[in-house]
Amino acid sequence: EAGVTQFPSHSVIEKGQTVTLRCDPISGHDNLYWYRRVMGKEIKFLLHFVKESKQDESGMPNNRFLAERTGGTYSTLKVQPAELEDSGVYFCASSPGGTIAEKLFFGSGTQLSVL
Amino acid sequence: AQSVTQLDSHVSVSEGTPVLLRCNYSSSYSPSLFWYVQHPNKGLQLLLKYTSAATLVKGINGFEAEFKKSETSFHLTKPSAHMSDAAEYFCVVSEYSGGGADGLTFGKGTHLIIQP
Repeated sequence: EAGVTQFPSHSVIEKGQTVTLRCDPISGHDNLYWYRRVMGKEIKFLLHFVKESKQDESGMPNNRFLAERTGGTYSTLKVQPAELEDSGVYFCASSPGGTIAEKLFFGSGTQLSVL
Repeated sequence: AQSVTQLDSHVSVSEGTPVLLRCNYSSSYSPSLFWYVQHPNKGLQLLLKYTSAATLVKGINGFEAEFKKSETSFHLTKPSAHMSDAAEYFCVVSEYSGGGADGLTFGKGTHLIIQP
């Protein structure tokens, strides 16, 4: 079974540019989560999809971040325009119906560097 | 509000010696607690969980952790370190006693270094 896949693994962009991160969850997983880890800090929750609906987006930093999950399959996280403080590792995780942490599977993350 | 403190950013042990990674938490509820491990270029993987059952929890790869409510601690241990244990470890608390994936709070992580 394929795991949670994230593209790209690394992205280096300049301040003011746009970047789109993609997450392919495990097939059949209704729940999809985005997290971010800024260097030296904790991993922090960004938002939670249940199928195509945003269940909780309380962790999104500001309106430069836009997450979508059209059709309830893969998800994208767009940052526009990117700022220096957006640098970090962006993790995606998915789980099947219900939201049990032991059923949460993480991707390996996208390392975003904004210069 | 809940929080997690991992007391060491780096821990270095020799192969074959015991491992202790320390974690303290605070929570207003009866929390669930987890340890995750991240090997280089891999996703986070669940090592073990505490969800209000037995206070001594056994996980994968020989790791275990003990929930001590009086000390608000959930330290991770392993009797004998192996080179393959070198990774970053995260202590995580959920505000939901049932172990829900919502409301997870992560510690800053501890890098475990294994000396040959």
